[in-house]
Amino acid sequence: EIVLTQSPGTLSLSPGERATLSCRASQSVSSDYLAWYQQKPGQAPRLLIYAASNRATGIPDRFSGSGSGTDFTLTISRLEPEDFAVYYCQQYGNSLTFGGGTKVEI
Amino acid sequence: QVQLQESGPGLVKPSETLSLTCSVSGDSISSYYWSWVRQPAGKGLEWIGRIYNTVSTKYNPSLKSRVTMSVDTSKNQFSLKLSSVTAADTAVYYCARHTYYNGWFSPAMDLWGQGTTVTVSS
Repeated sequence: EIVLTQSPGTLSLSPGERATLSCRASQSVSSDYLAWYQQKPGQAPRLLIYAASNRATGIPDRFSGSGSGTDFTLTISRLEPEDFAVYYCQQYGNSLTFGGGTKVEI
Repeated sequence: QVQLQESGPGLVKPSETLSLTCSVSGDSISSYYWSWVRQPAGKGLEWIGRIYNTVSTKYNPSLKSRVTMSVDTSKNQFSLKLSSVTAADTAVYYCARHTYYNGWFSPAMDLWGQGTTVTVSS
């Protein structure tokens, strides 16, 4: 099973700042099979990025994904108040796994 | 507008079988892959398994021995059964739809139900 490790666990930033979230895989992951989600308290996850760098429908362009192999990054260029949430990366190899999440807080 | 809605008992006794249904409205269930994902309170997401039509299933290896998923195309629903539950199975359970990328299955899930809380307790 491929393990995804997200860092940092918590990111304390202010609105307008840039957020850089890391997702590291224990084995190489196909970029086609790497996704990012946002989750707010009491809500279901929301797909942000699929295939490592493609924004999902309706996702603002301040969100971007990059990376390949074992290292992937989600960048939020300028944090808006509604962006403070928990972010998960996800991969699909022989099974589907999620990272432990990064909380972006004010 | 496509919507997903989970339903099922909110309380299940230990050692019994948890049964949930996801009702799909606004699109045909036959066109997509579907998954179940769960989340214990205050913790991260865990994939349970996915199904395509009535013939293709893939389960999380850690749960495989206890999981059964099925599709009822006549009702546009898919279901989850998790047997021999314990307190560790207490969680919010989500159903979700997989998207496609370049015409092929993508693990990314672009549509989610609101989630249903299942508590395992006697």
